[in-house]
Order: sequence, then structure tokens, then C-alpha cells
Amino acid sequence: EADIYQTPRYLVIGTGKKITLECSQTMGHDKMYWYQQDPGMELHLIHYSYGVNSTEKGDLSSESTVSRIRTEHFPLTLESARPSHTSQYLCASSGSSGSWDTQYFGPGTRLTVL
Amino acid sequence: AQSVTQPDIHITVSEGASLELRCNYSYGATPYLFWYVQSPGQGLQLLLKYFSGDTLVQGIKGFEAEFKRSQSSFNLRKPSVHWSDAAEYFCAVGAPGSNYQLIWGAGTKLIIKP
Repeated sequence: EADIYQTPRYLVIGTGKKITLECSQTMGHDKMYWYQQDPGMELHLIHYSYGVNSTEKGDLSSESTVSRIRTEHFPLTLESARPSHTSQYLCASSGSSGSWDTQYFGPGTRLTVL
Repeated sequence: AQSVTQPDIHITVSEGASLELRCNYSYGATPYLFWYVQSPGQGLQLLLKYFSGDTLVQGIKGFEAEFKRSQSSFNLRKPSVHWSDAAEYFCAVGAPGSNYQLIWGAGTKLIIKP
């Protein structure tokens, strides 16, 4: 059973607001990921981390930022939300670095920016 | 650049009927291949994966997939579907040297007719 949590599950917010999407995992995984998912489209990697104090941008340009201060926590922040940020955001984690371990996904945060 | 194609946006099958979901990839060598399922309100879950060896791989929930190098395909099959199989299915590909990042297909939504 995967233990990866995302909060909030749903968020409706006005343009210009700062938001933080939370992601936590209790499996001690080194690698964590943020994906953006739109209906009928492939998942796009926006950020990933291979461990504490390690973060990288993914293949999809994003105005969001991430931090990895603790192994279990990988929050994503939007400094100023815009309607174009409306999407579903998925957090995932996987085991040790240097391998194609299974990615375990949280339930997602569905963000709507008005 | 690597890409993953799932030609069917949605498929409808009757309960008890067999199922095949198609996945084609574009990559010069043999990549690492994955199938994930996303049930409503839940996170994506790994069904099965192929790295090497026997080209027919067994997964959870009675699913299997066959890797065909000549066709660059990794189709997912199930001999008899259950109503609980209604979900969205994603094929993903990992290329060696890609920092363990997955390239995802756009998904196929499976609808089960009673």
C-alpha cells in the first residue's frame, strides 16, 4: 500500500493568489516528482527531486517552484496563480536513486484558477 | 525524441469480454515499458512493467502485456474484464540515460458495458 498524500484535493482560487500544494510520503523514498495532467493529455513532468536539497525542472516549462528540505515532503508553490495554471497536479515518489523503481502516486490536487 | 502513442482515446467493452489496449513507442533501442491505471478518485497504480527477458509479462488484477520489438508496441490485455476495471490506462516509456524520467501516453479510458 502506497502512502503518499496530497492536500488539498480540490482548490478554487482567484488570479494573483499565492498557493502551495502539499505532498508527503511515508515510504522514505529518495525520488519525488510533480506532474501536470490535463484531460485527454499525457502526464508532463514539471519538477523532480532525487533527495534532500536536490530539485530539477522537468520537461514541461512551469512557473511553479518546489523545495525538498525533508525527505518526506515535496511542496509545490505558485507565487501568482493564473487561469492557465488550472490543471490537475500529481505527486509521485519512488525508491532508491539509480533505478527504474515503481512510481507511487498521490490522489492529485485539482486546481482551478478563476 | 521519444514519444508514446495510445491510439484509442476510449474503448467500450462488455463485462466478461476480452480487452486489448494499444501502446506504441518511438525510441531507437529497447526502452523500459510500463502500464499504469488511474481509477476515479485514486492515484495512478502500476499494473506491470517490462525491462528485459520474457516478452510476455504478467501484472496485477489479471492483466498482461506483450512487448513486440518489431512493432515497437507494448499492448495491454485482459481475457475477461470486470466492471471494476473501468478506469484510465496509461502507457509510459523510460529511455536509458534519461535520468529515470518517464514519457507518458495520453491514456485510454476504458468503459465497461453491463
